[in-house]
Amino acid sequence: AQRVTQPEKLLSVFKGAPVELKCNYSYSGSPELFWYVQYSRQRLQLLLRHISRESIKGFTADLNKGETSFHLKKPFAQEEDSAMYYCALLHGSGNTGKLIFGQGTTLQVKP
Amino acid sequence: DTAVSQTPKYLVTQMGNDKSIKCEQNLGHDTMYWYKQDSKKFLKIMFSYNNKELIINETVPNRFSPKSPDKAHLNLHINSLELGDSAVYFCASSQDGISYEQYFGPGTRLTVT
Repeated sequence: AQRVTQPEKLLSVFKGAPVELKCNYSYSGSPELFWYVQYSRQRLQLLLRHISRESIKGFTADLNKGETSFHLKKPFAQEEDSAMYYCALLHGSGNTGKLIFGQGTTLQVKP
Repeated sequence: DTAVSQTPKYLVTQMGNDKSIKCEQNLGHDTMYWYKQDSKKFLKIMFSYNNKELIINETVPNRFSPKSPDKAHLNLHINSLELGDSAVYFCASSQDGISYEQYFGPGTRLTVT
């Protein structure tokens, strides 16, 4: 069955420290994975997708099929990175595609 | 210039009542969704509609009935509310064929007492 697991409910780091938000998935096909973010008092929004292999706000995520992981990383955390982060897997395609979300990880960056 | 809006923002009601949550998007998207976020922040899809047609219908009690009068609106009606229905309900929309990039509404916090 398709599943996304984020083992950490809360990750607390100091400003300037490296950050790694863990995400593991279970999927029988070729996975498409994403990270969504919800900042305080803002809406949930797409942060990045694995296919684009881009860095957004200093964050990167590499799909590791061997470890079935898609961890989100940033070398130096900033206070404005504090937010709720959701890893998501796309199941299906086109208009029938649906996002399967992990449980979410709250990132707290302390000054 | 709100992209996806939901009303009401908060809804407090008693068990057994029937209530509706409305969602509207002005992005011109064809697909709309309803999600439920439980007390542990777990976000799960409930329904999706494409151009007024039901596409995704997850295992949701039939007390929940979505209605899409046009492609810009997707309302959620809940009958005989139960304590376990207390959650935050999010509406979202996406462009045709780009279901991975969803635009979310602000959420409706439903509390059933």
